[in-house]
Amino acid sequence: GENVEQHPSTLSVQEGDSAVIKCTYSDSASNYFPWYKQELGKRPQLIIDIRSNVGEKKDQRIAVTLNKTAKHFSLHITETQPEDSAVYFCAASRGGSTLGRLYFGRGTQLTVWP
Amino acid sequence: ETGVTQTPRHLVMGMTNKKSLKCEQHLGHNAMYWYKQSAKKPLELMFVYSLEERVENNSVPSRFSPECPNSSHLFLHLHTLQPEDSALYLCASSQDQWSEQYFGPGTRLTVT
Repeated sequence: GENVEQHPSTLSVQEGDSAVIKCTYSDSASNYFPWYKQELGKRPQLIIDIRSNVGEKKDQRIAVTLNKTAKHFSLHITETQPEDSAVYFCAASRGGSTLGRLYFGRGTQLTVWP
Repeated sequence: ETGVTQTPRHLVMGMTNKKSLKCEQHLGHNAMYWYKQSAKKPLELMFVYSLEERVENNSVPSRFSPECPNSSHLFLHLHTLQPEDSALYLCASSQDQWSEQYFGPGTRLTVT
């Protein structure tokens, strides 16, 4: 099956700096890559996703890049704010018979210091 | 945030007890999922239901038994659990395999 590796496991940045979280995947058939944010004591929520037909997607301060050849994708957060502090999970999936089968990374604890 | 609800939010049970977790989605989705979230581990998919039919059982021990009576409700029946089963159990739903999965708030389970 798919194996998703996520780095780093913890990341601390100063408010206003950028944060980058990287993930690699093993299954070349994976074609959907969502990122979830989980604040302390709350449920994971989708913040951005990318499909394999594009290389980059941006939504305000958040962007995701995908390199299919190298099988890695990254989350970029610019102008970080204290409310960005949370655990971020990457995931990979492929459509077809394995309905909704998301393989998650281990998560990155992001702390943004004011 | 009431799209996916879970009850109870917290549960403490002994190893010989039988209990059930409940999940309800109000989004009209066709797929529902059970995940286990343990400390320092990735989210682990346990079961997937599509249109009330189980499509995946991810090698979960038989002491966990899912039930999906209709497309809006999902249960996880628990019996003779082990302390290592203590975790946050998250339910999620999605329209289809290409769509965002919406998570419930989770049930924090402690097995004593």
